[in-house]
Amino acid sequence: EPEVTQTPSHQVTQMGQEVILRCVPISNHLYFYWYRQILGQKVEFLVSFYNNEISEKSEIFDDQFSVERPDGSNFTLKIRSTKLEDSAMYFCASTSGTSGGLNTQYFGPGTRLTVL
Amino acid sequence: DQQVKQNSPSLSVQEGRISILNCDYTNSMFDYFLWYKKYPAEGPTFLISISSIKDKNEDGRFTVFLNKSAKHLSLHIVPSQPGDSAVYFCAASDDSGAGSYQLTFGKGTKLSVIP
Repeated sequence: EPEVTQTPSHQVTQMGQEVILRCVPISNHLYFYWYRQILGQKVEFLVSFYNNEISEKSEIFDDQFSVERPDGSNFTLKIRSTKLEDSAMYFCASTSGTSGGLNTQYFGPGTRLTVL
Repeated sequence: DQQVKQNSPSLSVQEGRISILNCDYTNSMFDYFLWYKKYPAEGPTFLISISSIKDKNEDGRFTVFLNKSAKHLSLHIVPSQPGDSAVYFCAASDDSGAGSYQLTFGKGTKLSVIP
């Protein structure tokens, strides 16, 4: 069964450093998402991406964040200058987008980002 | 701003009995509601969904009920099995116009099914 993959599974970085989190969505999917879950809190939407551009973003997704689909398979989330409060589990998700809101979003296993 | 609320952080149920997980929402613009299940160190896994035009959707042991007037939905699992032990997230989405249908999640309910 196709699945969303994410690398690395755990990333440790120093405050102020740049990190890139990588995702490979399911191959025929058209919409891609990043969510995050700070420990003990709810899963929060960060950004959605369709047709090579951002379609929606939340207030969390400020200028420190960017997304890119550099080739036909990878979808990346970059944090330019990490802060302590960026420590969280980051989930990538994708969906085919053919059935509107009932399209299942398939989630990857997540990348745990720890900012020291 | 808790648009989706799961007021029970945990629930314990005996194997074979019914598990009922509840979710309330405040945003009347939500059109679609979904339940995800999450094991530790894994991403959320889709379970079942329902459109706001329906009041019930069933898939095997899982049934979701939607009461739009009360802005309430529930997930029933019957019979409950030990493998159902996980954190269950209620999520909702609407068409904000861009077609992306991003999900708004509740905080989750940890279900423990006791053998």
